[in-house]
Amino acid sequence: EPEVTQTPSHQVTQMGQEVILRCVPISNHLYFYWYRQILGQKVEFLVSFYNNEISEKSEIFDDQFSVERPDGSNFTLKIRSTKLEDSAMYFCATGTGMREQYFGPGTRLTVT
Amino acid sequence: AQSVAQPEDQVNVAEGNPLTVKCTYSVSGNPYLFWYVQYPNRGLQFLLKYITGDNLVKGSYGFEAEFNKSQTSFHLKKPSALVSDSALYFCAVRDIDDYKLSFGAGTTVTVRA
Repeated sequence: EPEVTQTPSHQVTQMGQEVILRCVPISNHLYFYWYRQILGQKVEFLVSFYNNEISEKSEIFDDQFSVERPDGSNFTLKIRSTKLEDSAMYFCATGTGMREQYFGPGTRLTVT
Repeated sequence: AQSVAQPEDQVNVAEGNPLTVKCTYSVSGNPYLFWYVQYPNRGLQFLLKYITGDNLVKGSYGFEAEFNKSQTSFHLKKPSALVSDSALYFCAVRDIDDYKLSFGAGTTVTVRA
């Protein structure tokens, strides 16, 4: 069964550094999403992406964040100048339409 | 705005007993409703969804959920729980005109042998 994959599984970075989190969607999926889950808190929506542009973003997704699909396969989330409060599990999700989303295993980001 | 409430942080049941995990939602329009399960150190696995039609939906691993519009609820059920059902369960909602999923806080289910 096809799965969403994410790399790396764990990223440790120093405050102020840039990180790129990568996701490989299921091959026929056209809708892409990033969510995050701070330890002990709810899963929170960050951004949705369709047809090579952002379709919706949350208040969390400020100028520090960006997304792109650079090569037609990978879907990336870039966090510029990371802060301690960016430490969280970041989940990529993909889907075929505005229905169920399939989630990857997540990238645990630790900012020190 | 859309939101989900899972009123129980934890549910404990004995193996073989029925399992219910509660969820209520709030949306401005018609809802799409979902249940996901998360095992330790894993991502969210899709269990089932309600889009339209029959209020009782069946999903993976013997789970089912009932959509109740008047009570704005979408409780997850399993007639006979297994120890392997022990996990963290999330209810999620989206408005039909929206892209994002809004999740509840999650309910930890523990099934004892």
